[in-house]
Amino acid sequence: GAGVSQSPSNKVTEKGKDVELRCDPISGHTALYWYRQSLGQGLEFLIYFQGNSAPDKSGLPSDRFSAERTGGSVSTLTIQRTQQEDSAVYLCASSFLAGGDYEQYFGPGTRLTVT
Amino acid sequence: AQKVTQAQTEISVVEKEDVTLDCVYETRDTTYYLFWYKQPPSGELVFLIRRNSFDEQNEISGRYSWNFQKSTSSFNFTITASQVVDSAVYFCALSEDNTDKLIFGTGTRLQVFP
Repeated sequence: GAGVSQSPSNKVTEKGKDVELRCDPISGHTALYWYRQSLGQGLEFLIYFQGNSAPDKSGLPSDRFSAERTGGSVSTLTIQRTQQEDSAVYLCASSFLAGGDYEQYFGPGTRLTVT
Repeated sequence: AQKVTQAQTEISVVEKEDVTLDCVYETRDTTYYLFWYKQPPSGELVFLIRRNSFDEQNEISGRYSWNFQKSTSSFNFTITASQVVDSAVYFCALSEDNTDKLIFGTGTRLQVFP
């Protein structure tokens, strides 16, 4: 079956512009996670959604970052007023349910470059 | 506080050698989960294994094996008879029962030379 997909695969933007990154989870997966991978910070958790529960936003680095998940499926991560330190690969993952009993399956990522 | 340490930044071996990737974790929870992921040059993270804190049995899957020892807070990964296709960055991760998010180690880059 289809895995997690993300778009765009690459995004180059100018400092100060807003960007939207999209994630399509595996069909039937109720939990969706966003992580980012950068040289300086490694792989770090950003936010996750589980069904209709309030999202866990504890990993968002600043209020310029936000995410939503519409209809319990597709998710969009928005970064406002991008800064150079936002340059990273943004990874989306989904799992059947939230929790350690369920492995997270990752998408290919969106490489964001802020110039 | 939860933390995952992968002290080996990079390992180079020659094909057919055995190699062990170390992972040490810290957590205050009694219920937690440990994972290994592989990130090949293509970039996509590939799930390898999950272990919960109540199951200390070692696991073998083909050339891969995992050694979970709660006494030393370690979850080490061994590749037997390594192959060039094993070249990748390997991440160990921890998930605590009350959080669900993955806390990753910094990864170990494995290079297998022919």
